[in-house]
Amino acid sequence: TQLLEQSPQFLSIQEGENLTVYCNSSSVFSSLQWYRQEPGEGPVLLVTVVTGGEVKKLKRLTFQFGDARKDSSLHITAAQPGDTGLYLCAGPNQAGTALIFGKGTTLSVSS
Amino acid sequence: ETGVTQTPRHLVMGMTNKKSLKCEQHLGHNAMYWYKQSAKKPLELMFVYNFKEQTENNSVPSRFSPECPNSSHLFLHLHTLQPEDSALYLCASSQTRGTGRGTQYFGPGTRLTVL
Repeated sequence: TQLLEQSPQFLSIQEGENLTVYCNSSSVFSSLQWYRQEPGEGPVLLVTVVTGGEVKKLKRLTFQFGDARKDSSLHITAAQPGDTGLYLCAGPNQAGTALIFGKGTTLSVSS
Repeated sequence: ETGVTQTPRHLVMGMTNKKSLKCEQHLGHNAMYWYKQSAKKPLELMFVYNFKEQTENNSVPSRFSPECPNSSHLFLHLHTLQPEDSALYLCASSQTRGTGRGTQYFGPGTRLTVL
């Protein structure tokens, strides 16, 4: 069974701090995606990583796909209150017919 | 704005009621999905429709009955639900059914409470 484990489950930080959240699996994924979900809304795709070792940057967010394609990390530099939300990682099941999601990391950034 | 709308946004129902959730996508996509989001659990895929045909039923109890009359609309009919069915129900769409690198666009969800 493919599982995605995300850590930490909760993170509460001050504005301006840096943070890293993780998405780990014992299974190899052809790609991984990161979504952010704000209260009262559905998840919104942030990035897709497809190559082992790949690094993608989205303003203050840096995403990395592990060399073995079993894990990914999201690093936020100088967090802002607008970064508050639930961060979800997701990857395709082996059949490629559906996405498997982790439980998510709930981030709270206070000013 | 994601282009995927869901109604109602909130629903409270008794265990003997029958209700329906509606999803509409304005993106011209061919695949639509129902997910269940419960506290402390990962998003659970319930159903997948591709070109109006159901392609996946993730062992969902029969008290949940999906309907996809066309590629733009998706319904979830609910009857004799249990309190543990209380959750956020999310609809999503994508250009095609494949999920490896494509984007799924989610609606805002329906917050369902079963009394």
